[in-house]
Amino acid sequence: DTGVSQDPRHKITKRGQNVTFRCDPISEHNRLYWYRQTLGQGPEFLTYFQNEAQLEKSRLLSDRFSAERPKGSFSTLEIQRTEQGDSAMYLCASRGVSFDEQYFGPGTRLTVT
Amino acid sequence: AQSVTQPDIHITVSEGASLELRCNYSYGATPYLFWYVQSPGQGLQLLLKYFSGDTLVQGIKGFEAEFKRSQSSFNLRKPSVHWSDAAEYFCAVGRNTGGFKTIFGAGTRLFVKA
Repeated sequence: DTGVSQDPRHKITKRGQNVTFRCDPISEHNRLYWYRQTLGQGPEFLTYFQNEAQLEKSRLLSDRFSAERPKGSFSTLEIQRTEQGDSAMYLCASRGVSFDEQYFGPGTRLTVT
Repeated sequence: AQSVTQPDIHITVSEGASLELRCNYSYGATPYLFWYVQSPGQGLQLLLKYFSGDTLVQGIKGFEAEFKRSQSSFNLRKPSVHWSDAAEYFCAVGRNTGGFKTIFGAGTRLFVKA
């Protein structure tokens, strides 16, 4: 399967713990996006990479959130000192050089207890 | 600022009946418009997209959507709904600058009754 993959698919953590999610985009795609989706809502944009450069961050991305894409391939999203309000589905998407739609991964569901 | 409104939180239709899901957008330039479908536990799948040209767009699974600039709408339609179409549907608008960030509506949950 050559689609976007995310790991883990589910994560349960206690409040105050740190968590890290991984996204592997489609291999030839140089653009990578992170979104957050809470229950009953559509996905909300968090951040965007072109190759290894993080070009845009949403105001939703507080100081506790950090994203990296060190070699322009896979990306990680880390949440420090998790709060219950961080419970959500975290979606990753990738897009190729020529204009095309974003291809979404299956998401990582985070539950903070 | 860009925004997308899906007025219907949920819709129930009978199998075989026609479907129309409403979407209104706010955008200061020519919009790039999308409809995605999300089944439980699944990621988002693109149904169709509009960038320019013919305002009636055909997508996968028998869906189509019509762009109406005067009404700022991009409604999704299907002439005959199948039980497998039950899912959450999201309308989205993409910005053609700065990486093409996509703004999503809150979604419409479709229920299909036998």
